Formats: sequence, C-alpha cells, structure tokens
Amino acid sequence: GQQVMQIPQYQHVQEGEDFTTYCNSSTTLSNIQWYKQRPGGHPVFLIQLVKSGEVKKQKRLTFQFGEAKKNSSLHITATQTTDVGTYFCAGPWNYGQNFVFGPGTRLSVLP
Amino acid sequence: EAGVAQSPRYKIIEKRQSVAFWCNPISGHATLYWYQQILGQGPKLLIQFQNNGVVDDSQLPKDRFSAERLKGVDSTLKIQPAKLEDSAVYLCASSHSGRVSNEQFFGPGTRLTVL
Repeated sequence: GQQVMQIPQYQHVQEGEDFTTYCNSSTTLSNIQWYKQRPGGHPVFLIQLVKSGEVKKQKRLTFQFGEAKKNSSLHITATQTTDVGTYFCAGPWNYGQNFVFGPGTRLSVLP
Repeated sequence: EAGVAQSPRYKIIEKRQSVAFWCNPISGHATLYWYQQILGQGPKLLIQFQNNGVVDDSQLPKDRFSAERLKGVDSTLKIQPAKLEDSAVYLCASSHSGRVSNEQFFGPGTRLTVL
C-alpha cells in the first residue's frame, strides 16, 4: 500500500538556525498540502503544491514539490520561537481515494 | 466568518460506554471530515462526507463507530462501545468543495479519554 514518510521525526534548533523537513511518498501525488499544528492546537493549512518542481515561498517558509511528484520539503529560514509546532504533509494518496496525513516533524526552537 | 465548531471539548468515559461528538462546519462548506489523532501521530481520516453522502469511510471501524450528516450541514460521530485505544483527539474539518485538494479548516477537536 501507499507509504508516506516524514523526516526527521523531531528537530531541535537554536533560534535563528534554519530547519528543513522532508515528506516522501511511495507513489506519485496529484498535489500535496502542508499543515502546522501548534502544541495543544489543531492543524492549520499552510500551502498546497500542485505542479511538478513547484516552489512557493511564504516569508521565511519555502515549500518545494519534487520533479517526480513523490516528495516535498518545507524549509524555514532563521527560525523563531513562533515556529514551534508539528509540521505535517498531507495529500490524496492511493490515487486520490484517501486523504492521508504524514506522521509529522516536531520542531522545537530554543531561544 | 465563524470557524468549525465542535462539542464537547473534553470527554471522559469508561470503556464499553457510548459517546457522541458534534461538529458544525463553516457555512457553505460541502465537504466534512472526521479525523482521529492519537497523541504523537498525524490525523487519521475516519470518514469524509460530501453534503450528506459518504465519500470515504474505509478507515472507520464500523463495528463500533458511526457517523451521520443529516441535511448536509452538522455531523455527529458516535462510538459504541468505547475501547481504551479510542482515547484520542477527534477533529472535525470542512472544506469548500468535494475535491480533496482543497484547504481544510479544522475545529478545536474533542479530547476523549477512555478509562
């Protein structure tokens, strides 16, 4: 069956350092979404990527969709304490039949 | 614009008891999702409605879980009887159309503890 993985599972960074999380799928995706969940909160939509090789930026966040549409990454430049939370990739796996969230990467930012 | 509403926010029950959760999606959103999020894991889709019809319930444990969305607006998720492993946060989300590619708006969730 379809597998979605995210690495790393946890990341601790010093404030000001950069951070990257990777999302990998065993199958080609039609699109991929990224969500952020603060501790004790609910997932909040960040962005959707659709095109092969697409790159989108939101201030200090850069999102990329792989050329083969099987992987994606989220990069945060110069992390801040407000970036703390768990970042999930999500998408219509199984050829669009099931919407699945990845296991997430938990980011801690030390001031 | 009001967000997705859920109630109750917290529920503690004993195993084998029944429990029900309620969700009111954002007005005009045709698609409604119920997720189960176990501590430390990503949300797991239980059921997806498009208006009042079921689109996907492949991961819903149908021997104990049921959900309905009468009139295509509010929805309830029921567990009967509850097991210890059902302890989790139950999240409701809605999106504007039936395409899974659309942004989902999540409610605050109901934290269920089964003793």
